[in-house]
Amino acid sequence: QTVVTQEPSFSVSPGSTVTLTCGLSSGSVSTGYYPSWYQQTPGQAPRTLIYSTNTRSSGVPDRFSGSILGNKAALTITGAQADDESNYYCVLYMGSGTLIFGGGTKLTVL
Amino acid sequence: EVQLVESGGGLVQPGGSLRLSCAASGFTFSDYAMSWVRQAPGKGLEWVSVISGGGSSTYFADSVKGRFTISRDNSRSTVYLQMNSLRAEDTAVYYCAKGGYCSSASCQYYFDYWGQGTLVTVSS
Repeated sequence: QTVVTQEPSFSVSPGSTVTLTCGLSSGSVSTGYYPSWYQQTPGQAPRTLIYSTNTRSSGVPDRFSGSILGNKAALTITGAQADDESNYYCVLYMGSGTLIFGGGTKLTVL
Repeated sequence: EVQLVESGGGLVQPGGSLRLSCAASGFTFSDYAMSWVRQAPGKGLEWVSVISGGGSSTYFADSVKGRFTISRDNSRSTVYLQMNSLRAEDTAVYYCAKGGYCSSASCQYYFDYWGQGTLVTVSS
């Protein structure tokens, strides 16, 4: 059973840069997994940030960026702001019509 | 403006059935796959199912395979999730999302728009 791994939590100071990662329990993440990233605050629907590794969704500020770092997908927030405090989820396309969410990262900005 | 509006959630007993609907507007519905994603209380997001733009291809998470079916009516711009043999662990907010697979036009292995969700509670 493939598991998509994310840091459970992360803390960042306002104005700092933070990189969240998305890996596989077995193997490396590549662009062929079409990694995407979503932001969700409690009680709200998710918001799409990044898709196909590094394409920003409409209206997403350019301080959010996506990449492949080593064997993982990565979401980098440059100049973190207080309202970036949210849960962040990655999704990987596993083939055969199947997608898997990571467990999510709770980002605290303080 | 893209809008996705879910309906059909509610309280159901274990072993029961429920059908969720998602009415879409603001885009050419048949050009896009549609997905269902759920979130149990206090937990993370879980992909549940996807249907291709034309409806010929459907896929399910192992946790719901054999119990849930997905369908769509392109004339009504609506996607459905039929949930049978419901269990307590199916309790969640169910989100409809645009994308997740292919249509005749293109493949989109991500979700770009989301509904606000509908709560399904499975309890006796």
